[in-house]
Amino acid sequence: GQQLNQSPQSMFIQEGEDVSMNCTSSSIFNTWLWYKQDPGEGPVLLIALYKAGELTSNGRLTAQFGITRKDSFLNISASIPSDVGIYFCAGANTGNQFYFGTGTSLTVIP
Amino acid sequence: EAGVVQSPRYKIIEKKQPVAFWCNPISGHNTLYWYLQNLGQGPELLIRYENEEAVDDSQLPKDRFSAERLKGVDSTLKIQPAELGDSAVYLCASSLDGNTDTQYFGPGTRLTVL
Repeated sequence: GQQLNQSPQSMFIQEGEDVSMNCTSSSIFNTWLWYKQDPGEGPVLLIALYKAGELTSNGRLTAQFGITRKDSFLNISASIPSDVGIYFCAGANTGNQFYFGTGTSLTVIP
Repeated sequence: EAGVVQSPRYKIIEKKQPVAFWCNPISGHNTLYWYLQNLGQGPELLIRYENEEAVDDSQLPKDRFSAERLKGVDSTLKIQPAELGDSAVYLCASSLDGNTDTQYFGPGTRLTVL
């Protein structure tokens, strides 16, 4: 199945720093989603984006739906230790088929 | 409200043995998904159900994998016989219906095939 490309693959940052990660696809999507997955758990939805150019925030998280509809960005401001985990993007098309990215592993150093 | 329930959480079997995973979605959710997640990768869809109907099973390896959702509630995913390459986490997710993008995931079943 198709997998979206995420970068960076992993990040090691100091507590309090801002984080940026992105996701790209060769296909156009109608919906972009960002999930966080903790070890031994399933992914949890953080933000959903429905319109090209849309910028949506959820607390310290901000995500944008790229205007080309082939990419999306997630920013985390003022990182804290509990932000540690793997972040996945996902794109959905008109057939409601979901394709997930390869993940970005985030480590926050206190 | 209970989330998506999966069992078992862990399973270790020898190759060529059969194995089954069970999923109970959130009450009232009509759409159920089974995903495969390999180490270091994102989830990949195996099959999607709308009520008891499998509406997308194009990625399900039908020679050894099967799934059912007989009453449109809980679901079982089976592998027979298992191969070494089947070692992965099998995630179940549910959503209110096929038109909503908010999927809720269960904790997954980690399968190890020896």
